[in-house]
Amino acid sequence: QITLKESGPTLVQPTQTLTLTCTFSGFSLTSSGVGVGWIRQPPGEALEWVALIYWHDKEHYNPSLKSRLTITKDTSKNQVVLTMTNMSPVDTATYYCAHTPGIAEPLDFWGQGTLVTVSS
Amino acid sequence: QSALTQPPSASGSPGQSVTISCTGTSSDIGVFNYVSWYQQHPGKAPKLIIYEVNERPSGVPDRFSGSKSGNTASLTVSGLQADDEADYYCSSYAGKNSPYVFGTGTKVTVL
Repeated sequence: QITLKESGPTLVQPTQTLTLTCTFSGFSLTSSGVGVGWIRQPPGEALEWVALIYWHDKEHYNPSLKSRLTITKDTSKNQVVLTMTNMSPVDTATYYCAHTPGIAEPLDFWGQGTLVTVSS
Repeated sequence: QSALTQPPSASGSPGQSVTISCTGTSSDIGVFNYVSWYQQHPGKAPKLIIYEVNERPSGVPDRFSGSKSGNTASLTVSGLQADDEADYYCSSYAGKNSPYVFGTGTKVTVL
């Protein structure tokens, strides 16, 4: 049974750096093809893909956010960490992490999401 | 990579069918058969209901079906039920640098 859960701060000050952790179980990020992605959703708005990391350490970033993002994995802890710098109020959103079984495959299991508010 | 275009809303009575369109470009839907659809109830995480244009994950009723023609994909929900009232998002693979492009979302109301 695949499960994922996001954790991190609920409130971030403008210009600060956000660090979110996705802790998962039921699969290994060392298995060929497997990836974990981050997706965000501002309140009342649509989903937006943020970043993705695959089993072989290949990283992909949303081009509009790329300069601010870093995604890493710790296979020993079954965790994926997303770092986003220079946060602003427009980054206020629910952030989800999700599993994909392979390149071009869908996001088939999602975490419950965590709401991050950017405000002073 | 721009978001895929969906109608903001769609509706139908219980038992009827509703079809949602998702329009992309020749760089995403038009060239890849990796179109997915997600259902999202208020306050919940999205749930995968269709992948690879018309495949259903285990446990998803066959009332949900997908198709594609050119740069446009479609989701049809047949035999509408109250629990089908939700937001629906399409998504397409658009190459290794844009693995997930999402649609603008459609709110389905069961009248």
